[in-house]
Amino acid sequence: NAGVTQTPKFQVLKTGQSMTLQCAQDMNHNSMYWYRQDPGMGLRLIYYSASEGTTDKGEVPNGYNVSRLNKREFSLRLESAAPSQTSVYFCASRRNYLNGPGTGNDGYTFGSGTRLTVV
Amino acid sequence: KNEVEQSPQNLTAQEGEFITINCSYSVGISALHWLQQHPGGGIVSLFMLSSGKKKHGRLIATINIQEKHSSLHITASHPRDSAVYICAVETSGSRLTFGEGTQLTVNP
Repeated sequence: NAGVTQTPKFQVLKTGQSMTLQCAQDMNHNSMYWYRQDPGMGLRLIYYSASEGTTDKGEVPNGYNVSRLNKREFSLRLESAAPSQTSVYFCASRRNYLNGPGTGNDGYTFGSGTRLTVV
Repeated sequence: KNEVEQSPQNLTAQEGEFITINCSYSVGISALHWLQQHPGGGIVSLFMLSSGKKKHGRLIATINIQEKHSSLHITASHPRDSAVYICAVETSGSRLTFGEGTQLTVNP
């Protein structure tokens, strides 16, 4: 099993350019998440999708949009990149959000990350 | 004050030592997660716990809900344990709030 696959692994953008980060999971998980990781700040939630067809804002959604294309895929789009969006982005998925925590193996599975630099 | 505080921020140990990483939080939670981030950047989920203690190999995680505190222990540490260990608390809506991580270096 591939788990959670993120593409690309590295990207350099110029200010104002747009791009889409792709994420796909093959574990039949209901919930998917996009996080960014910045030095000294820990991981922060950008957007999440509790189930196919739904998306919700997280802690830092400004400047981003998401699409839950189907149960497998959850993409993150930067419409007009800014230097403040330079970060490492992680996609994650989880099986049993809708059933609540503590039911079986409900840990998160993370992608390998995308290192994005906006110049 | 961050909702999730980890200590220490950095930890250097000799191979074989017993290691403890602490996590304190200030909000009501439904579960607590311990994650490991490898030097290459990948993140792996180690434990999810809402009470008591869990053990997997040389790793042990404990949580005290009343004291809002969790610890991650590594027994017989090895250089391959060198990584960043991240505590995250799960609040309503399955949202995670992360600590800043503890950088562990185990020297041979």
